[in-house]
Amino acid sequence: NAGVTQTPKFQVLKTGQSMTLQCAQDMNHEYMSWYRQDPGMGLRLIHYSVGAGITDQGEVPNGYNVSRSTTEDFPLRLLSAAPSQTSVYFCASSYSGLPRSQETQYFGPGTRLLVL
Amino acid sequence: AQKITQTQPGMFVQEKEAVTLDCTYDTSDPSYGLFWYKQPSSGEMIFLIYQGSYDQQNATEGRYSLNFQKARKSANLVISASQLGDSAMYFCGVSNSGAGSYQLTFGKGTKLSVIP
Repeated sequence: NAGVTQTPKFQVLKTGQSMTLQCAQDMNHEYMSWYRQDPGMGLRLIHYSVGAGITDQGEVPNGYNVSRSTTEDFPLRLLSAAPSQTSVYFCASSYSGLPRSQETQYFGPGTRLLVL
Repeated sequence: AQKITQTQPGMFVQEKEAVTLDCTYDTSDPSYGLFWYKQPSSGEMIFLIYQGSYDQQNATEGRYSLNFQKARKSANLVISASQLGDSAMYFCGVSNSGAGSYQLTFGKGTKLSVIP
C-alpha cells in the first residue's frame, strides 16, 4: 500500500490564482481530512469527510472547497489564493470516526504552498 | 469546541534520560480519544500512541507511555531512555465523534531537543 499520497510536494502561486491539492489513499479509509500547519499554530482542521459524498467544515474552512466523489480521493481547492494561505497542508485518513477504537489518522507527506 | 494546551514550547533532555511532555485538554464529549504525534525536521507526522477516554489503563507503545489523568483532563507523554532521534516536534490531539461528525484537534506542539 502507498498509504496517503499528496501532490504536489511544493507549489508557488500568485495571489488570485486557483489550484487543487490532491490527496489519495489506498487503504479504503472512510474518513479523510485536510489540515494546515502554520508556525506556532499547530495543525488546524480545514475540511473533513466521513465518507464518499459527505463533507463538512473544520476550524478554518474559509477560502477552501472540497468534494469527495470516491472513497480514495479528497482534493482541496483554493479558488482564489491569498498570501494568508501560505502554509503546509496535510491530508490524513482513518478507517472510521469512532474514538472508542484505535482510530489512528495516517498523514500524507504534506504540500508546501507559497502564495506571493 | 475542543481545546488542547501544550504549555512547553521547547524542552531539552539529556540522552538516555526520561522526559515528560505536558498536555491538557478540554472537551465536552463523554467519549473521546487522545493522540500523540511526532513531527521530525523532515516534516512527516508520525503516530506514536493513543488513549481512549474509557480505557482504564495508561497506554504504552515501546518507549512511549501516556500518563492519562481523566479527572484532571491531562494526557502527558512520557518518553523513556531518550535517543537523539527523538529530537522533534510533538503534538497532542483529542478526537471526538458525535452526530455524524469527527474531528481531531491538535495543540500547538512542543519542540524536544535531545542533548548528547
